[in-house]
Amino acid sequence: QKEVEQNSGPLSVPEGAIASLNCTYSDRGSQSFFWYRQYSGKSPELIMFIYSNGDKEDGRFTAQLNKASQYVSLLIRDSQPSDSATYLCAVNDPGGYQKVTFGTGTKLQVIP
Amino acid sequence: NAGVMQNPRHLVRRRGQEARLRCSPMKGHSHVYWYRQLPEEGLKFMVYLQKENIIDESGMPKERFSAEFPKEGPSILRIQQVVRGDSAAYFCASSPPGGPTQYFGPGTRLLVL
Repeated sequence: QKEVEQNSGPLSVPEGAIASLNCTYSDRGSQSFFWYRQYSGKSPELIMFIYSNGDKEDGRFTAQLNKASQYVSLLIRDSQPSDSATYLCAVNDPGGYQKVTFGTGTKLQVIP
Repeated sequence: NAGVMQNPRHLVRRRGQEARLRCSPMKGHSHVYWYRQLPEEGLKFMVYLQKENIIDESGMPKERFSAEFPKEGPSILRIQQVVRGDSAAYFCASSPPGGPTQYFGPGTRLLVL
């Protein structure tokens, strides 16, 4: 059973701080990793994807991947109240199909 | 370029009725996925389809639920004889032929009275 695990939170950070969201996965063969943001009552929105070990930066967001430790994280710099949402980690199933497995998400609260 | 489209956005059904949810993938996308989300819970995978084929239906309840993605037209998720426990948000996502990146539609909120 493929697993993607996230701390459900809520993770509370003050406005302007760095928010760090973490995700671990069970299948060593996974190659593609995604972060989605979901506001309450809305659909998930893709914000980052990463395929290679190391860091990938996009604006205030940085995704970090460590395949040896089976760990992927998302850093949000200069957190804003508008970043308050649930962040979903998703990992591809390496069985030859294009299916991904989602974590249950971490709820982030940015306190003004 | 239009995104993933779902309709209806809201659907109210009485117990025992049928619900039909439709999903049109992004242009150029040939893979469709259906997920269910209960309030304050995570996304639950239901089914993965390509045109005219069900690739993985491991998340579909064994009874009352079915899905199709015909050669022409949208993908349909069909729930027969709905019960109150079927009340949830149903999301469709699509991905291109070359990779697993999924893009979500706005969802259909189903309420069973």
